[in-house]
Amino acid sequence: QKEVEQNSGPLSVPEGAIASLNCTYSDRGSQSFFWYRQYSGKSPELIMFIYSNGDKEDGRFTAQLNKASQYVSLLIRDSQPSDSATYLCAVISEGGADGLTFGKGTHLIIQP
Amino acid sequence: GAVVSQHPSWVICKSGTSVKIECRSLDFQATTMFWYRQFPKQSLMLMATSNEGSKATYEQGVEKDKFLINHASLTLSTLTVTSAHPEDSSFYICSARRVGYTFGSGTRLTVV
Repeated sequence: QKEVEQNSGPLSVPEGAIASLNCTYSDRGSQSFFWYRQYSGKSPELIMFIYSNGDKEDGRFTAQLNKASQYVSLLIRDSQPSDSATYLCAVISEGGADGLTFGKGTHLIIQP
Repeated sequence: GAVVSQHPSWVICKSGTSVKIECRSLDFQATTMFWYRQFPKQSLMLMATSNEGSKATYEQGVEKDKFLINHASLTLSTLTVTSAHPEDSSFYICSARRVGYTFGSGTRLTVV
């Protein structure tokens, strides 16, 4: 049984600060890791994905992956009120035939 | 690129009737599409994997006779909720694999 764990929050961060979102996964066969943002009532939007250990940066977002610890994180720099949303961590096994397994998401609130 | 169109966006139906939801990949061919369901304040749960030209693969606990999936072309998958009941009320979202996994806009189903 594949499991993806996230702290549900809410995580409250002042505007302009760094928001740190964490995710752990149980399946060591997981190969690809995704971060999605979901606004209330909307479908998920892909923020970024990561395959290799280490950091991957895209604008204000940095994904970090540590396969040995089965841990993936997302950092949001210079947080903006528009970043307030639920952030979903998702993983997939090699080949991608099974679809994504999602965590329950972390509700992030950026305080103006 | 990588646009997935889903409709209807919302639908209200009477208990016992059937509802069809369409998912189209607009600018790419998708041999595989995924159907998810999301209940309020819950994460996305994979229901089934839709395969073009063959039978869908259902996740454990999903009734294949209730949730009929047809993937007749490389750009269209449909999900039909048969004999819908109030407990089927949920947010249904399709996805196709491109760079990352692109999601449709979702369908809010309310069964009354």
